Amino acid sequence: GENVEQHPSTLSVQEGDSAVIKCTYSDSASNYFPWYKQELGKGPQLIIDIRSNVGEKKDQRIAVTLNKTAKHFSLHITETQPEDSAVYFCAASPSRGFKTIFGAGTRLFVKA
Amino acid sequence: EAGVAQSPRYKIIEKRQSVAFWCNPISGHATLYWYQQILGQGPKLLIQFQNNGVVDDSQLPKDRFSAERLKGVDSTLKIQPAKLEDSAVYLCASSLPPGGVETQYFGPGTRLLVL
Repeated sequence: GENVEQHPSTLSVQEGDSAVIKCTYSDSASNYFPWYKQELGKGPQLIIDIRSNVGEKKDQRIAVTLNKTAKHFSLHITETQPEDSAVYFCAASPSRGFKTIFGAGTRLFVKA
Repeated sequence: EAGVAQSPRYKIIEKRQSVAFWCNPISGHATLYWYQQILGQGPKLLIQFQNNGVVDDSQLPKDRFSAERLKGVDSTLKIQPAKLEDSAVYLCASSLPPGGVETQYFGPGTRLLVL
């Protein structure tokens, strides 16, 4: 089955700096890669996603890159702000949406 | 548009007791998911419904966990009897297309503590 590994588990950056979170997956059939942000006491919320036919996607300060050959994908947050502090999860899903597998999460601290 | 609703938000029980969680997905969403999120880990899928049929329950501990989705709308997840290791947040999510790879919208979760 699919396995998703996520690094680092904790990341601390200064406000205004960039943050990068990396994930690898094992199942070559996976073709949908969402990223979720989870704030304390809340459910995960989708912040960006990418499909296997695209190598990069950007939405304002957030970007995601995908390397299907190497089976890894990354989340990039630029100009970080204190409100970006949260736990971020990557995930991978095979065709037709069955069994999305989540990484273990990265706790991001943005220091003002 | 109303989001995914879950209740209760918190529950404390003793081991061997029973507990039930309720989820109301976003109106019109065909697919409903129950996840277990243990502290410090990512969500783990327990069961996935498409309308009122089960699509995947391979990671559901069927000796103690059960779930149903009545009339393809609301869903309940039950644990009977509970064990200490069941302490976790139980998240419900829904997505629009039946079986499609689309955005999952999560509820706030039910935090369960088993003593």
